[in-house]
Amino acid sequence: DGGITQSPKYLFRKEGQNVTLSCEQNLNHDAMHWYRQDPGQGLRLIYYSQIVNDFQKGDIAEGYSVSREKKESFPLTVTSAQKNPTAFYLCASSTRTRGGNEQFFGPGTRLTVL
Amino acid sequence: AQRVTQPEKLLSVFKGAPVELKCNYSYSGSPELFWYVQYSRQRLQLLLRHISRESIKGFTADLNKGETSFHLKKPFAQEEDSAMYYCALSGSGYSTLTFGKGTMLLVSP
Repeated sequence: DGGITQSPKYLFRKEGQNVTLSCEQNLNHDAMHWYRQDPGQGLRLIYYSQIVNDFQKGDIAEGYSVSREKKESFPLTVTSAQKNPTAFYLCASSTRTRGGNEQFFGPGTRLTVL
Repeated sequence: AQRVTQPEKLLSVFKGAPVELKCNYSYSGSPELFWYVQYSRQRLQLLLRHISRESIKGFTADLNKGETSFHLKKPFAQEEDSAMYYCALSGSGYSTLTFGKGTMLLVSP
């Protein structure tokens, strides 16, 4: 393990609160990604960043925000505008090699809205 | 738009039986295809990718552009193969992945 870390492992939030999930990597990867994993839905892309100070919306960006001020860090904020935030959140980083794109995943954060 | 379809939510087999996890995709260009695996209480990890044409843990997958498929196969399943398997697609040169909904493989003794 190591390489890419997420914290906290479990997070509880009251309705109406914003919360921030941490994602850090020491793999020197340029690209980082946030996914949401729900049972029966697979992984859905929330936001991604291919370089520092730049990020793009994924398929389900509404109610989420991100920043990419450092290469190593890509925090995700779940805002009160997200209608159904209870889920398992996965962060990944990636690099392009001769073997193609490979994404390395963190252990995940389980967010529960009370 | 790109899409990945895994038609089976659950695949249950006995130890020693052959396994085939199906994956079909939709993409207009030349895709890169991957299989990721998530064992119980472990993080999601890459199993194999079509561009490497490798066999990992006895699993192989061949990209069939005519049928737009990338099925994962293993001739003799083991109990330790029980896990959630995700097929994923990336456009050439891009770093984002589109995942299927996953197939849970259960291998019984």
